[in-house]
Amino acid sequence: DIQMTQSPSSLSASVGDRVTITCRTSQGISRYLNWYQQKPGKAPKLLIYGVSSLQSGVPSRFSGSGSGTDFTLTISSLQPEDFATYYCQQTSNTPWTFGQGTNVEIK
Amino acid sequence: EVQVVESGGGLVEPGRSLRVSCTASGFTFDDYAMSWFRQAPGKGLEWIGFIRSKTYGGTAEYAASVRGRFSISKDDSKRIAYLQMNSLKTEDTAMYYCTRNGPYGGNSRADYWGQGTLVTVSS
Repeated sequence: DIQMTQSPSSLSASVGDRVTITCRTSQGISRYLNWYQQKPGKAPKLLIYGVSSLQSGVPSRFSGSGSGTDFTLTISSLQPEDFATYYCQQTSNTPWTFGQGTNVEIK
Repeated sequence: EVQVVESGGGLVEPGRSLRVSCTASGFTFDDYAMSWFRQAPGKGLEWIGFIRSKTYGGTAEYAASVRGRFSISKDDSKRIAYLQMNSLKTEDTAMYYCTRNGPYGGNSRADYWGQGTLVTVSS
């Protein structure tokens, strides 16, 4: 199975901050890397697919980058509605696996 | 508007079976694979399996933790995907989510999620 190591596990940030979350995979996954946002009590929501493609309707302050085994989700200017847990996911091989999540909290 | 809605969750005793459903609307159901994920209380996301569209054979793949106990099926005429869960264990207690995926299933993104249905396995 491909292991996903996401960091940090949590962070505190202020509105307007630039936030970066990283995801490292245990082997190369080409471009099969997705990012999801989950708010408490809600279903996950797709933000980024294929490393850097923005899902329709997602604000442009969200961006993804990376290659090989190292990937990044960046929120350029954190907004109040962005406080949530973020997960990376690989779909290169089954079983599809997720990072453990990053909880973004209000500072 | 694309929607997927799960139903059929509930309280079930260990060793028993349960079938949950996912009813889709707003897109050509035949053209897509459908996946199931779960999230145990306070934990992260876990992929359970997916079923490909008929174009790609309608075959399914499963996580090792459920293979042989769970099965996924898809009724294109009714626009419903099913997750049949047998020999349930207490560790299967979770919120179960259905998603729409690309037609092949593999290498695809889950672009629409349902609100989830809660399955509690307890005596």
